[in-house]
Amino acid sequence: KNQVEQSPQSLIILEGKNCTLQCNYTVSPFSNLRWYKQDTGRGPVSLTIMTFSENTKSNGRYTATLDADTKQSSLHITASQLSDSASYICVVSMNYGGSQGNLIFGKGTKLSVKP
Amino acid sequence: DAGVTQSPTHLIKTRGQQVTLRCSPKSGHDTVSWYQQALGQGPQFIFQYYEEEERQRGNFPDRFSGHQFPNYSSELNVNALLLGDSALYLCASSLGVSPYNEQFFGPGTRLTVL
Repeated sequence: KNQVEQSPQSLIILEGKNCTLQCNYTVSPFSNLRWYKQDTGRGPVSLTIMTFSENTKSNGRYTATLDADTKQSSLHITASQLSDSASYICVVSMNYGGSQGNLIFGKGTKLSVKP
Repeated sequence: DAGVTQSPTHLIKTRGQQVTLRCSPKSGHDTVSWYQQALGQGPQFIFQYYEEEERQRGNFPDRFSGHQFPNYSSELNVNALLLGDSALYLCASSLGVSPYNEQFFGPGTRLTVL
């Protein structure tokens, strides 16, 4: 079964601290993996995209890693800010012969950054 | 440059009714996908439209149907509403159907079924 599992389910950290969110997936055929940030009641916004051959990708204070062998990804947030409070969703895209297939979403990690 | 827009923002219906949700894709995009996001859950793929045809479909019953118009906008229709259909419905657009093309999400329509 195609699944994306994220941990922890929720996380509270102090402003300025770093944190790492985890994503494990069992999706085939794999195309790419994205991390999205979703503010409450809003649509998700893409942070990073990683393909099979990429190990690390950064976007400002966000750094994503991908281990295609173990089917694990992580999102590291450095020097957290209050505005980082949101749900972070790991999304794996399936590849149906070059066409955009089903996106498999994790349930997300709810991050709360406290002052 | 307008992003993805959805209407209405909120909607309240009763069981058994029918509902139509609307989506306008980001300028220049031709592919629209619909997702259902229950409270506390990740979005689940409903279906995708490209060239006015349904190209991919997730595990949703036939009560869920859609349409794409020549201007690339799209509608999601849900018949015979159930309490379990209460959710945030997200529309996402992209340019083409390549899995490497980013999908841009709209703000969603919050549907409540009483």
